[in-house]
Amino acid sequence: AQKITQTQPGMFVQEKEAVTLDCTYDTSDQSYGLFWYKQPSSGEMIFLIYQGSYDEQNATEGRYSLNFQKARKSANLVISASQLGDSAMYFCAMIRSASKIIFGSGTRLSIRP
Amino acid sequence: DAGITQSPRYKITETGRQVTLMCHQTWSHSYMFWYRQDLGHGLRLIYYSAAADITDKGEVPDGYVVSRSKTENFPLTLESATRSQTSVYFCASLAGTYNEQFFGPGTRLTVL
Repeated sequence: AQKITQTQPGMFVQEKEAVTLDCTYDTSDQSYGLFWYKQPSSGEMIFLIYQGSYDEQNATEGRYSLNFQKARKSANLVISASQLGDSAMYFCAMIRSASKIIFGSGTRLSIRP
Repeated sequence: DAGITQSPRYKITETGRQVTLMCHQTWSHSYMFWYRQDLGHGLRLIYYSAAADITDKGEVPDGYVVSRSKTENFPLTLESATRSQTSVYFCASLAGTYNEQFFGPGTRLTVL
C-alpha cells in the first residue's frame, strides 16, 4: 500500500539549531515526487521543497534541504539555522500521479528562543 | 491577484442543509483538487479534476459532489451536511503531475 509516515508528532528545537523532520514513504512506483509543506497557525499551506524520484541531487531551497535516500525510501526535511517563524506543522507528501497524492499526518515543530 | 481563492472562508450550517464551497484559480492549471483536513489526519483527498468536465473520486468522496464546467472553477457541494463533515477544506491546483501543488487559503466549515 502507498503510504507516507511521519513518526515525529511534535518536536522542540532551540533557535538557530538545525532540525531534521523525518518522512518515510512506501511505493512500488518508479516515478514519483516528494513534497514538504509548512502550515503555520494561520492555516495556509506553504510549499517548501520538491524532490523527484529521478533527481540525482538533493533538493535545496534556501534554508531548506531535502535529504533524499531512495533505497531507504526516506525524504527528510532539514532546516538549517532554525528561526522562531519556523514554528508550524510540517507535512510530507508524495505524488505518483494527479490522482495519487497522499500526505503524512504531520510534525508540529516548535522553536524555542 | 494570481492564485487560488476560496469562498466562503468560514461557514456555519446545520445538519441536512446543502452547502457549496467555491474555488477559483487564475493560472488555468489543468488539475484541481479538494482536500479536507481533520485533526490528526493530515489532508485527505475528496475529489480531483484533470480538466474541465473531468472529475474523479479521491479517498473520501462520500457525501460530496463536484463539478467543473470551466477550467478555473471547481465548486464542492455537500448535498446534505452532516456533523462529521465539520472540517477545514482546501482547494488546490497543479500545473502538471510532478509540479508544485498550490493551495487556497482554506474554508473552515462547521456543521451544527
